[in-house]
This record gives sequence, structure tokens and C-alpha cells, in this order.
Amino acid sequence: GENVEQHPSTLSVQEGDSAVIKCTYSDSASNYFPWYKQELGKRPQLIIDIRSNVGEKKDQRIAVTLNKTAKHFSLHITETQPEDSAVYFCAASITGNQFYFGTGTSLTVIP
Amino acid sequence: GAGVSQSPSNKVTEKGKDVELRCDPISGHTALYWYRQSLGQGLEFLIYFQGNSAPDKSGLPSDRFSAERTGGSVSTLTIQRTQQEDSAVYLCASSSVGGFYEQYFGPGTRLTVT
Repeated sequence: GENVEQHPSTLSVQEGDSAVIKCTYSDSASNYFPWYKQELGKRPQLIIDIRSNVGEKKDQRIAVTLNKTAKHFSLHITETQPEDSAVYFCAASITGNQFYFGTGTSLTVIP
Repeated sequence: GAGVSQSPSNKVTEKGKDVELRCDPISGHTALYWYRQSLGQGLEFLIYFQGNSAPDKSGLPSDRFSAERTGGSVSTLTIQRTQQEDSAVYLCASSSVGGFYEQYFGPGTRLTVT
């Protein structure tokens, strides 16, 4: 089955700096890659997603890039703010029925 | 409107007992997912329902785990003869049609097996 690896497991950045989280996947058939944000004690929420026919997608300070050849995708957060502090999960799916998640990245934005 | 709800929020059970976890999806959502989140781990996919049907049950960790969904709405995840390694947060999510659409997560059930 699909295997998703996520790095780094923890990340600390100064407020205003950029943060980058990377994920790799094993199954070249995967074609949908969502990113979820989970704040402490809260449920995961979708922040951005990308499909395999697109190389990059942006939404304000958040962007996701996809390299199908290398089978990796990344989350980019610019101008980080303290409220960006959370655990971020990447995921991959082939059919939209089964989702394989990474182990999460705990992001801390230092004011 | 109401979001995804799960009950109980916390469950402590003795090893060997059976437990039943409940998920109420957002009204009208046809797709429903169960995940397990162990401490410091990602979300482990367990099972997916489209309507009342679960096309693929291969994500369930063992035959002690089963799930059903009735009326295209409420779902229950049952764990028989619980083991300590079953201790985790069990999350349910629903999606309007499934596939490549946003999943809305419930608050989870924290299961502790003593």
C-alpha cells in the first residue's frame, strides 16, 4: 500500500519567517494530496489540497507544490504568525476512498 | 449547522472488554471515514463508508475491529477483546460525497485500555 513520510517532525521558526514541510509518497498512482492542520486539543482541518494535474497551488500565505516525478510534495507557509503554531499532516490518496497520512510536523512560531 | 459528533468523548475499559464507538456525521454527508491516532503518530486509516457500504475493510488492524453504518448516517466502530495497544484517539470524519473533497473531523474518542 501507499507509504507517506513527512519531515521534519518538529519545526521552530521566528514570526515572519517561512516554514516548509515536506512529504514523500511511494505509490505513483496517488493523485490527491491534502494538508490538514490540527491545533492543540482540536480536530484536524483541511487547509489546502492539490491534485496531480497541478504543480502548485496558493491560498494567501499558504502554498503547496507537487513533484510527481520525484513523488514528493511540500507545504510552504510564508510570513508565519503565532496562530500558525499547530501540527500539520500531509496525506495522499489514489481513489479518494483511502487516505494515507504522514506522521505530522509540530510547527512552533516564536513571537 | 452541526458538525461531526462522536461519543463517548473518553472511554476507559479493561483489557478483554468490548467497546463501541459512535460517530454522527454531518447531515447529508454520504462518505464517512474512521481513523486512529496514536500518541505522536499520524492518522491511521481504518475504514471508509460510501452510504452504508464499506468497499474495502483492509485498513482494519485485526479481526477484532468491525464497523457498520446504518441509514446512511450513524456509524459505530466496535473493538472486541480490547488490548492495550488499542489505546488511541479514534477520529471519525465525513465528506459530502467522498473522493477528493474536504473531510470534516469529529472531536474524537480517546480510548484507554487498562
